[in-house]
Amino acid sequence: EAGVTQFPSHSVIEKGQTVTLRCDPISGHDNLYWYRRVMGKEIKFLLHFVKESKQDESGMPNNRFLAERTGGTYSTLKVQPAELEDSGVYFCASSRLAGGTDTQYFGPGTRLTVL
Amino acid sequence: AQTVTQSQPEMSVQEAETVTLSCTYDTSESDYYLFWYKQPPSRQMILVIRQEAYKQQNATENRFSVNFQKAAKSFSLKISDSQLGDAAMYFCAYRSYNTDKLIFGTGTRLQVFP
Repeated sequence: EAGVTQFPSHSVIEKGQTVTLRCDPISGHDNLYWYRRVMGKEIKFLLHFVKESKQDESGMPNNRFLAERTGGTYSTLKVQPAELEDSGVYFCASSRLAGGTDTQYFGPGTRLTVL
Repeated sequence: AQTVTQSQPEMSVQEAETVTLSCTYDTSESDYYLFWYKQPPSRQMILVIRQEAYKQQNATENRFSVNFQKAAKSFSLKISDSQLGDAAMYFCAYRSYNTDKLIFGTGTRLQVFP
């Protein structure tokens, strides 16, 4: 089966611009997660979708970040307007079930650079 | 709040040797899960091994095993018979029993020399 895919793989934008990241989870996975790794630091949780509903968005840094998952399939994460501190690698993950030891499968990440 | 600490930013090992990566965590919970993820260069992160806190037996997956010390809140990863393909960034992660979000450490970059 196809893994989690993310687009684009890299994005370079200027401060104040808008960027939209996309994640396609593994088919049939109801759970979708966004994480972010700022250079040299730990990977931090942003939010969790169950189908199209936001189950947990406690990690979203501020209201410049908007995540959607229309129809419960792919998800987008929009940053508007982007700031320098938003630079990092954005990971998406998906899992079939919630809870337990169900594995979260990660995508390759989108490297975002804000100049 | 739970935290995960990986105190070794970089480690190296010679092919066929054994290496241990350290991970400690802080939590007041009694039920939780621990994971080691591996991210090879320019590739996606994959799960290496996981441990349920209620299980006393250490998890093992082929050449990968953990030393889980619940009282000490330590969860180290041992890689036996290291191979060139083991070179990667290794992340230790914690998950509470009743949530889905993973809490990661800062990672350990493992180099494997022939």
